[in-house]
Amino acid sequence: AQSVTQLGSHVSVSEGALVLLRCNYSSSVPPYLFWYVQYPNQGLQLLLKYTSAATLVKGINGFEAEFKKSETSFHLTKPSAHMSDAAEYFCAVSGMNRDDKIIFGKGTRLHILP
Amino acid sequence: DGGITQSPKYLFRKEGQNVTLSCEQNLNHDAMYWYRQDPGQGLRLIYYSQIVNDFQKGDIAEGYSVSREKKESFPLTVTSAQKNPTAFYLCASRQAPGQGAYEQYFGPGTRLTVT
Repeated sequence: AQSVTQLGSHVSVSEGALVLLRCNYSSSVPPYLFWYVQYPNQGLQLLLKYTSAATLVKGINGFEAEFKKSETSFHLTKPSAHMSDAAEYFCAVSGMNRDDKIIFGKGTRLHILP
Repeated sequence: DGGITQSPKYLFRKEGQNVTLSCEQNLNHDAMYWYRQDPGQGLRLIYYSQIVNDFQKGDIAEGYSVSREKKESFPLTVTSAQKNPTAFYLCASRQAPGQGAYEQYFGPGTRLTVT
C-alpha cells in the first residue's frame, strides 16, 4: 500500500524567500514520485517527477525536489518565491506497475506575502 | 495541441436530475480517470479505465457511472443517487506502461453545482 502525507495545509512565505513544501511517502515498492501545481479553478499541472534516475529533480518554474529514501521524503523547494507561485501543490506517489494508481496527498496551499 | 478537454467548465443542475460530464483526450493514452475535489480533501478517485470497454470503481464510486466506448472519451454521469454532488470534477489520462513514468495529465475541470 502507498500513501502520501503533506505537512501543512497552508504555507505562507514572503516574496523572494525560500519556498519549502514537505512531502513524506510510504511505499512497499520503489516509488515514482510527483509534484503537481493547481491554480484556482484549473486542472493539475505536472511540476516535476522522480523516476529513480537522479535523486535531485528539477522541474518547471524554478522548482526542484530531492528524493531521500532514508527519510522517505520528497520535499519541494524554490530558492526565491514569486507572487505567481501562489497556488495549491500536490505531492503524489505511484508504483511502477501498470495497475498501480497514483495516490495524491491532500495538498498544500502556498500563499506569497508581498 | 494535444490535451484533455472537459466540458462544460461550469454546470448547474437541480437536485434529482442526472448530469453527464464530458472528458475527451487526444493524447492516445490508454488509461483515463475521474476525480472529485472538495476543499481540504485533495483528490478522490471516482472511476478509472485502463482500456476501452473496461473500467473499475475507485474510492467513491457510489452515485456515479461511467462508460468507455472509445479510447478518447470517458464520460462521467452524476446520478440522483449521489447525495452531495456539488464539487469540482477532474478528468485525467495516463500513458500505457513502458512509455514513461506514468504521470497523469489533467483536464481543466468542471465545476458542478446542484441546488
